[in-house]
Amino acid sequence: SQELEQSPQSLIVQEGKNLTINCTSSKTLYGLYWYKQKYGEGLIFLMMLQKGGEEKSHEKITAKLDEKKQQSSLHITASQPSHAGIYLCGALLKAGNQFYFGTGTSLTVIP
Amino acid sequence: NAGVTQTPKFQVLKTGQSMTLQCAQDMNHEYMSWYRQDPGMGLRLIHYSVGAGITDQGEVPNGYNVSRSTTEDFPLRLLSAAPSQTSVYFCASSDRWSVDEQYFGPGTRLTVT
Repeated sequence: SQELEQSPQSLIVQEGKNLTINCTSSKTLYGLYWYKQKYGEGLIFLMMLQKGGEEKSHEKITAKLDEKKQQSSLHITASQPSHAGIYLCGALLKAGNQFYFGTGTSLTVIP
Repeated sequence: NAGVTQTPKFQVLKTGQSMTLQCAQDMNHEYMSWYRQDPGMGLRLIHYSVGAGITDQGEVPNGYNVSRSTTEDFPLRLLSAAPSQTSVYFCASSDRWSVDEQYFGPGTRLTVT
């Protein structure tokens, strides 16, 4: 079973377009993390959200947490080829030390 | 400061062979973990450790052993490799599990034939 579901699974966009990736949890979230993975490499931390309604931005990437819906969204504005990669959400789903990752969203940006 | 290092980068094993994937970090992090990444499955937690001498099972622990004798090292042992263990393995560490981001190694691509 997959505790964190991401959608879409893959995304191909033209450079300059905006896009949104969603992450939905089947359980209570104790912190939601977004990571980016370049193909064939390890993961790089993007940002962390802890409180319902929290919104964080870094350069052209914005993430929001909707605690009631157990959902987070990652929005990229004016996408660039450098945004290409796999985006994964991760979370602690119960009190304790087990961390779960979503299924991942593969993003391709066409110049 | 090398961060999190993993060796080897690539490995091919035959069914039934055993091997150890190495992971080391030089950030004095207490928490270390091992994940496997399979297509369409995201990353799944195999084992984790909250400090030297303490380890616990994650989501998919069967077929793997770990130990944590020092803060720096967290090796993952495959006891008897099976084709289902073909995957990319990532080691990660963090300072405080619940609030700080995890730092990931570059991964080990393992193929079991």
